[in-house]
Amino acid sequence: NAGVTQTPKFRVLKTGQSMTLLCAQDMNHEYMYWYRQDPGMGLRLIHYSVGEGTTAKGEVPDGYNVSRLKKQNFLLGLESAAPSQTSVYFCASSDRGRGLLAEAFFGQGTRLTVV
Amino acid sequence: GQQLNQSPQSMFIQEGEDVSMNCTSSSIFNTWLWYKQDPGEGPVLLIALYKAGELTSNGRLTAQFGITRKDSFLNISASIPSDVGIYFCAGRGTGNQFYFGTGTSLTVIP
Repeated sequence: NAGVTQTPKFRVLKTGQSMTLLCAQDMNHEYMYWYRQDPGMGLRLIHYSVGEGTTAKGEVPDGYNVSRLKKQNFLLGLESAAPSQTSVYFCASSDRGRGLLAEAFFGQGTRLTVV
Repeated sequence: GQQLNQSPQSMFIQEGEDVSMNCTSSSIFNTWLWYKQDPGEGPVLLIALYKAGELTSNGRLTAQFGITRKDSFLNISASIPSDVGIYFCAGRGTGNQFYFGTGTSLTVIP
């Protein structure tokens, strides 16, 4: 049972380049999330999804887009990367039982550097 | 955005000692979560709290949902080296979004 799998684990981008981060979960969870983690700031919610075909903005959505075409996958896109997007990105998923984010499972993270 | 104040920021303790950390909010929350993050890994859920006053244990860990609904506490008893890591609180308010604290870094000295 893989849980939440993020691809890739590391990436270096040049300013202005685009990329997509992939998150896959095999727990049949309804809810999925993308967070970024910066030193001294905890985790901040970028976007989330409460089901296939639905997405919503979180705390820091600017510069990112997401899609949830399949229940098990949640994609995070950067259309034009900026140095301020250098961060560690975490995907998470949870069952709907206890509400949004309750008892979420996290992936191992993607370390992104924008130069 | 919402501010969660987590304290202390870091702790250095001897193996076997007990640990206490807390998280406070400026507004009322209806759910509190405590996570642990090891280096290079994602956070792992330790304890979830859903009712004011609730006290829940998970092995040597005990967490409480404050009566005022604006705070939560995590205690670790008889610390061991594998307790090393960063502990995060997270709270959900009426707006249905979770906010994470800035973390407490725990170092256990053998």
